[in-house]
Amino acid sequence: AQSVTQLGSHVSVSEGALVLLRCNYSSSVPPYLFWYVQYPNQGLQLLLKYTSAATLVKGINGFEAEFKKSETSFHLTKPSAHMSDAAEYFCAVSLTGNQFYFGTGTSLTVIP
Amino acid sequence: DTGVSQNPRHKITKRGQNVTFRCDPISEHNRLYWYRQTLGQGPEFLTYFQNEAQLEKSRLLSDRFSAERPKGSFSTLEIQRTEQGDSAMYLCASSPKLAGVLDSYEQYFGPGTRLTVT
Repeated sequence: AQSVTQLGSHVSVSEGALVLLRCNYSSSVPPYLFWYVQYPNQGLQLLLKYTSAATLVKGINGFEAEFKKSETSFHLTKPSAHMSDAAEYFCAVSLTGNQFYFGTGTSLTVIP
Repeated sequence: DTGVSQNPRHKITKRGQNVTFRCDPISEHNRLYWYRQTLGQGPEFLTYFQNEAQLEKSRLLSDRFSAERPKGSFSTLEIQRTEQGDSAMYLCASSPKLAGVLDSYEQYFGPGTRLTVT
């Protein structure tokens, strides 16, 4: 069975500080992994995806994530937080593209 | 390309009524997904279409829910005999099917239909 666990439903960082949002997956084989962002009153937008190519994946808005098979993790990072990064972030997993499983989300607050 | 659209954006209905939502995917995206999202939760997979064929359906999906994609373009999601527990945001996403290693299952989400059952 596939699933993802997002540790920390709420994360607060100061503007300019490192952003680290955690995601661990459960899958019998290396899956496809995704990070989506949801701004208030907007639809989900893809930040980045891992599709078994490079383990370090760069996405939009300066975000990146590293696939670590030994740790079954796909944590999202950004070196310097910006006020506009405040949003809800979701990690998702899929094996075949037929079904996707999303985490419960992490709400990011950026403190000026 | 205007993205994925969903109608209506909001629907308020009384318990026991039937409701139908529509999703128009990005043109030529042959994959279409429906999700349900409740407050404080991530999207929950409901069903998946490839062209007009419904290939996956969540085991958690009640028989009161039915989805169609008759011509492989737009899709409808119907909920019969609505219950208060059906109140949620219903999301639609589409994805292109690319050949071989290019296929990454990247989904494009619509704005959602918010259902309130009173």
